[in-house]
Amino acid sequence: NAGVTQTPKFQVLKTGQSMTLQCAQDMNHNSMYWYRQDPGMGLRLIYYSASEGTTDKGEVPNGYNVSRLNKREFSLRLESAAPSQTSVYFCASSVDPNTGELFFGEGSRLTVL
Amino acid sequence: GENVEQHPSTLSVQEGDSAVIKCTYSDSASNYFPWYKQELGKRPQLIIDIRSNVGEKKDQRIAVTLNKTAKHFSLHITETQPEDSAVYFCAASIQNNNDMRFGAGTRLTVKP
Repeated sequence: NAGVTQTPKFQVLKTGQSMTLQCAQDMNHNSMYWYRQDPGMGLRLIYYSASEGTTDKGEVPNGYNVSRLNKREFSLRLESAAPSQTSVYFCASSVDPNTGELFFGEGSRLTVL
Repeated sequence: GENVEQHPSTLSVQEGDSAVIKCTYSDSASNYFPWYKQELGKRPQLIIDIRSNVGEKKDQRIAVTLNKTAKHFSLHITETQPEDSAVYFCAASIQNNNDMRFGAGTRLTVKP
């Protein structure tokens, strides 16, 4: 039982390049989330998927797109990376959208030059 | 939307002392308040949470108190140990995980 796994763990991009962060959970959770973590700013929600087949914007969605591929997988895409997107990205899942424990992946450190 | 402020940003204590981290929130409709611990280079993990129908919750050496009138809640860690050293995040939510807002975090250092 791996929990939430995300790849890659580290990535360096040049401004304007695109990339996709992959996330998968094996806990049969309905809801999945993408957060970014910046120094002094806590965790901010980018996009979420309350259930398979649905996605919605979070607090800071600009510059990102997501795909809920199936119940297990939720990907985050940067179409044209900018230095402001340099951050640590965390995928998370929960049993359902209602308030309750978030299970996080190990994080992906992205640097945009 | 909800705004969560967390203080202090850094906290250093001697092993065995108590540590207190405080958070305030802006939306009186918030009713779920979790605390996450993030060790260096690791993922955040839930350590304790409280809902608005109770004022205090304890789990061994950690406790959380909630004052809904003043719109603040606090994490208390007693008999601190070096393994308590981490960044702690508070959060507040009104209805769903997607409306949850996190504080900026407190870096706790426990000196042996």
